[in-house]
Amino acid sequence: DTGVSQNPRHKITKRGQNVTFRCDPISEHNRLYWYRQTLGQGPEFLTYFQNEAQLEKSRLLSDRFSAERPKGSFSTLEIQRTEQGDSAMYLCASSSYRDEETQYFGPGTRLLVL
Amino acid sequence: DAKTTQPTSMDCAEGRAANLPCNHSTISGNEYVYWYRQIHSQGPQYIIHGLKNNETNEMASLIITEDRKSSTLILPHATLRDTAVYYCIVKGKLIFGQGTELSVKP
Repeated sequence: DTGVSQNPRHKITKRGQNVTFRCDPISEHNRLYWYRQTLGQGPEFLTYFQNEAQLEKSRLLSDRFSAERPKGSFSTLEIQRTEQGDSAMYLCASSSYRDEETQYFGPGTRLLVL
Repeated sequence: DAKTTQPTSMDCAEGRAANLPCNHSTISGNEYVYWYRQIHSQGPQYIIHGLKNNETNEMASLIITEDRKSSTLILPHATLRDTAVYYCIVKGKLIFGQGTELSVKP
């Protein structure tokens, strides 16, 4: 297993369009996290799943954002009606039930909304 | 969740030890201290964590003061590849601050 993977790595879209990102965690990791990072700032927590259950959502996750993890494996993060302020790096991380607090991050998806 | 305070930036000479401080004066008794780093354009990378005892692994050492209000991450022989932003986080939802930008110079 090569770690957490995210696709696409880069996405350019026009304002108002919908985008969807995918995250494949390390296999057997039961927790999956989404973060957003803007230039010069540390990552900000968005939401996390334990298996297929979405256990927590940050208030940063507006109604235009939705995340799913239908089978408890990969996850998708969708942004509807994108705005220029959504431009950021979207990071995914996963952790094991043995050590739930040690998170392993993917390379991120960089979104640019024009 | 406890808040952490770190210097904005630090320099270190290649081959020397890099000592990165972190204050977490409001830490609770059962909260761990985690350190991650982020090399430019990559996702954060886990380094080490500890509760109250000092910890060492192949990447770094973590020294936690007896009152647990501060800690220091030590990279014993810094290399140019250690240039990154280093985040000190107290257990929670991994609330990242702005971290310390470490520049290792030849």
